[in-house]
This record gives sequence, C-alpha cells and structure tokens, in this order.
Amino acid sequence: DAGVIQSPRHEVTEMGQEVTLRCKPISGHDYLFWYRQTMMRGLELLIYFNNNVPIDDSGMPEDRFSAKMPNASFSTLKIQPSEPRDSAVYFCASSFSPSGRIGELFFGEGSRLTVL
Amino acid sequence: AQKVTQAQTEISVVEKEDVTLDCVYETRDTTYYLFWYKQPPSGELVFLIRRNSFDEQNEISGRYSWNFQKSTSSFNFTITASQVVDSAVYFCALSEATSGSRLTFGEGTQLTVNP
Repeated sequence: DAGVIQSPRHEVTEMGQEVTLRCKPISGHDYLFWYRQTMMRGLELLIYFNNNVPIDDSGMPEDRFSAKMPNASFSTLKIQPSEPRDSAVYFCASSFSPSGRIGELFFGEGSRLTVL
Repeated sequence: AQKVTQAQTEISVVEKEDVTLDCVYETRDTTYYLFWYKQPPSGELVFLIRRNSFDEQNEISGRYSWNFQKSTSSFNFTITASQVVDSAVYFCALSEATSGSRLTFGEGTQLTVNP
C-alpha cells in the first residue's frame, strides 16, 4: 500500500512568494495532520482534519498560513506571503480513528521548505 | 497543559551497548496515551509503540523495551544490543484522551550508534 505522499520534497523560494505544499493521505484514513519541524521549536502541530473538516487550527502561526482538504484524498498547506522564518520541514500525517489505533500516525517524508 | 520533556538531546554509543532514552511527561488528565516514534535519516516519523495510562505493564518487542511509571511520570525506552541501524532521532509523545490523535511531541533524542 502507498504511504502518505507529500510534494514537493524540496522547495526553495524567495521571501514574499506563495508556497503550496500538497499531501495525499493513506486511503481510508479519516484524520489528516500538518506538522512543522524546526530545530528551534521541534515538531509543532499546525492543523488537523477529521473527515475533511478542520478540527483544530490553533497551531497555525499566522493568517499567512491556510490549509484545505477538499476531499478525502488531498490536502494543501499554503503560505502566502512566505517569510524566511517559515523555513522548516513540513510533515503531513494521516491516521485511522478506531480507539485501538489512537495516535498511530503515518507520516509522509516531509516537504523541506527554504525561504530566502 | 500537556508537555513532554526529553532531556537527552544527543546520545552516542558503540554498537552492542544498551541505551535508554528518557521521557518525562505532564498532563492533568487521568486518561492519556504515550507514544514513541522513530525518525531515521530518511525523514519520515515511524510509530513504534502506544501505551494507555491504565496499563503500566512494561513491554518488550525484540531488542526494544519500554518502562512506564506513572509515579514518576516517565515512559523510558531501552534498546538492547544497539545496532548502527538504530541511529535515528527518537520522539516521545503524549495524547490526552479528550484530544484523540492530537499528539504533543517531545524535543527528540538524537541517537548515534557507532560501529
């Protein structure tokens, strides 16, 4: 089975540009998470969805960040305009909700973003 | 508020040594879950184990073992007879029952196993 697929794997852009990160979760999973990883702040949860509905976006740092999940097989995280402090690895993860599987997240390989 | 602390930033051992990764957590909930994830050099995090707050039995899986002690709010991870392939960043994480799969991760411990 295919795992969580993220694109692009690497993105280098200039300050002020729009960045869109994409994620395809594992088929059948009903939760989708966006995490950001930096040396300074570690792994931070940005937003998560359940059945395509955003449940908690309290981790989204600013209005410059937005996330959508138009259907069960696709999600985007957009940064507009990007800033150098947004440089990080962005991970998408998905999971299946039965109680016996709580917290068993399947992560993608991440999208490494560098904003110059 | 929930918090996970991994005080060991980096650990370096020689192959075949045993190594323990420490994890201390804080939560006000009586029902919660604890996790360990592994992040190899390839980048993606891989789930290793989940324990719930009502199950303090230690667990062993091959060379891996986990020691959960509610009295000290700790959930430590031991690798016996370490191997070079165990080199990775290991994260401890916590989820409160009310937050389901929303995980709070510790800072991570970089483990390097040298041949």
